[in-house]
This record gives sequence, structure tokens and C-alpha cells, in this order.
Amino acid sequence: QKEVEQNSGPLSVPEGAIASLNCTYSDRGSQSFFWYRQYSGKSPELIMSIYSNGDKEDGRFTAQLNKASQYVSLLIRDSQPSDSATYLCAVNGDSNYQLIWGAGTKLIIKP
Amino acid sequence: EAQVTQNPRYLITVTGKKLTVTCSQNMNHEYMSWYRQDPGLGLRQIYYSMNVEVTDKGDVPEGYKVSRKEKRNFPLILESPSPNQTSLYFCASSLSPGLAGGNEQYFGPGTRLTVT
Repeated sequence: QKEVEQNSGPLSVPEGAIASLNCTYSDRGSQSFFWYRQYSGKSPELIMSIYSNGDKEDGRFTAQLNKASQYVSLLIRDSQPSDSATYLCAVNGDSNYQLIWGAGTKLIIKP
Repeated sequence: EAQVTQNPRYLITVTGKKLTVTCSQNMNHEYMSWYRQDPGLGLRQIYYSMNVEVTDKGDVPEGYKVSRKEKRNFPLILESPSPNQTSLYFCASSLSPGLAGGNEQYFGPGTRLTVT
């Protein structure tokens, strides 16, 4: 059973600090990795995708992928209260037709 | 505006009364999928479709049916709903999982279903 694991949190971070979210996955063959943000009662929103080892930056967000260690992380710089949400990690499964989802990490940014 | 739409957004029904939740996307995406989300269980895939007339079961297909007669629409059918199908349902679509970057999934706003 392929798995994606995330710490459920909540992770509490002061406003303006860096929030670091982590995700590990079990399938060494996975090629596509995604971070989604989900506000309570709302739908998941894609914020980052990463396909190769290393860092990918988009504004205040940086995704980091390490395939050898099978983890992917999301850094949020200059955290804002509006970043408070649940962050879902998703990884492609046996085929690209399915994504395997982590249960999510709840992030709280304290003003 | 590129989007995935779902209707209804909220539905309260009784056990055994057939219902359909519609999903439509205007992005010409090949792939569409239905998920349910329950507290503590995360997102679980119900069914997915790779293209018109091509569907397959996800992780929790029991009690659900789908069809894909047109590329833009992917309705979810509960022929005899039961209380354990009370959940938050999401439809999602992606361009084409076979292409680089093509399996980035975009979600509809969700349908909150309560079965009494």
C-alpha cells in the first residue's frame, strides 16, 4: 500500500517567520509531487508542483524535493495569518491517473 | 474563467432516494475524478475518468456510479444513498496525466451531502 505521510499538526508559527511543512512518501518510483492548500470547508487549491530534485520557488513559497530520501517539503517565508490552513501533500501513484494524498498538516500563523 | 463547477453545493436527503451530483469543467481536461473527504480520513478517490467513456474505480467506489458521456461533464450518482455516504464531495480535473505537468488537479467548490 503506497503511502504519503504528513504530521497532522497543528503547527503553530509566529507571523513573519518561516513555516516548514514536511511530507514523506513510500513509492520510490513517484515522479510528480504537489502541495495543496485547503481552508476549512473549502476545496483544495494547488500552490506548488515539483518534478525534479532540488528547490522550486514561487513568491513566498519554496518546494523542496529529495527523491533519495523520499521526502518533499514546503517552506512559507514571511508567514501571514492568511496562510493558516491545512496543507495537503500529494504524490502520483502507480500511474499518473491517480494521486496519493497525505492527510494534511494544519498550519496556524499567530499574529 | 477556467473552473470546475459542482451542483448542488449543499444537499440533505433521505436514505434510499437516488441523487446525482453534477460536475463540469471548461478547461478541455481529459482527466476527471471524484473524491470524498471525511474528518481524519483525508481525501479518498471514488472514481476517475481518463477520457470520454473511460472510467475506473478509485479507492472507495462502493455505492457510487459515474458516467462520462461528454468531455466536460462527470456526474456522480448515488442510486440508494445511505447515512455512511454523508460527506464532503469534490470533483477535480486535470489536463492529461500523460503529459509533463498534466496531472495537476484542479478542484470544484465541493458538495456537502447529508443522508438521514
